Amino acid sequence: QSVLTQPPSVSAAPGQKVTISCSGSSSNIGDNYASWYQQLPGTAPKLLVYDNKERPSGIPDRFSGSKSGTSATLGITGLQTGDEADYYCAAWDTRLSVFLFGTGTKVTVL
Amino acid sequence: EVQLLESGGGLIQPGGSLRLSCAASGFTLSKYPMSWVRQVPGKGLEWLSVLRDSDAKTYYADSVKGRFTTSRDSSKNTLYLQMNSLRADDTAVYYCAKDSTGAALDYWGQGTLVTVSS
Repeated sequence: QSVLTQPPSVSAAPGQKVTISCSGSSSNIGDNYASWYQQLPGTAPKLLVYDNKERPSGIPDRFSGSKSGTSATLGITGLQTGDEADYYCAAWDTRLSVFLFGTGTKVTVL
Repeated sequence: EVQLLESGGGLIQPGGSLRLSCAASGFTLSKYPMSWVRQVPGKGLEWLSVLRDSDAKTYYADSVKGRFTTSRDSSKNTLYLQMNSLRADDTAVYYCAKDSTGAALDYWGQGTLVTVSS
């Protein structure tokens, strides 16, 4: 049922920047807020961004979110080895009445 | 401090039933939407259901609709996932999660593994 599409993987050197795209449709990202989650190996997911661009307390400003139309983007600047993880976008789908996760993106720090 | 603790996972035969529990502490569970999410080891996240705070209405993913039921016991501050007619492809780690805004899951449990196998 997942209709939020992310690139399978992105990579960059320490200190560099990566962006992860999340492509949806008018009934999910286009109509509702997007959120982003980080999942470190062997752990539960952690909320990084909510309401498209807001960060929960404790999340560094190296992580940023944006939304344009039916797509959302997560940016990570000053990449660190500890950022190696899987990242997922998510949004409610108004037409399907379900909460959708993206396909997931693995971030590798070279 | 907000904490979510899942329990009830284990090995179950195909066609069997299992009830997962998610004990909440540090907040009143009935005042927030609560979701269940699962993850097949090595695969992505799959949202399963949400129990709304405002009207206690539930929504389900197509993959579990009619087989799984989400409920809560406010007196125990606990969320439940009743899983019936279990299949091999239900094998996964199951997480409960608190929804902060109606659109973001801000706290997650540690997960409980359900293995459906004969």
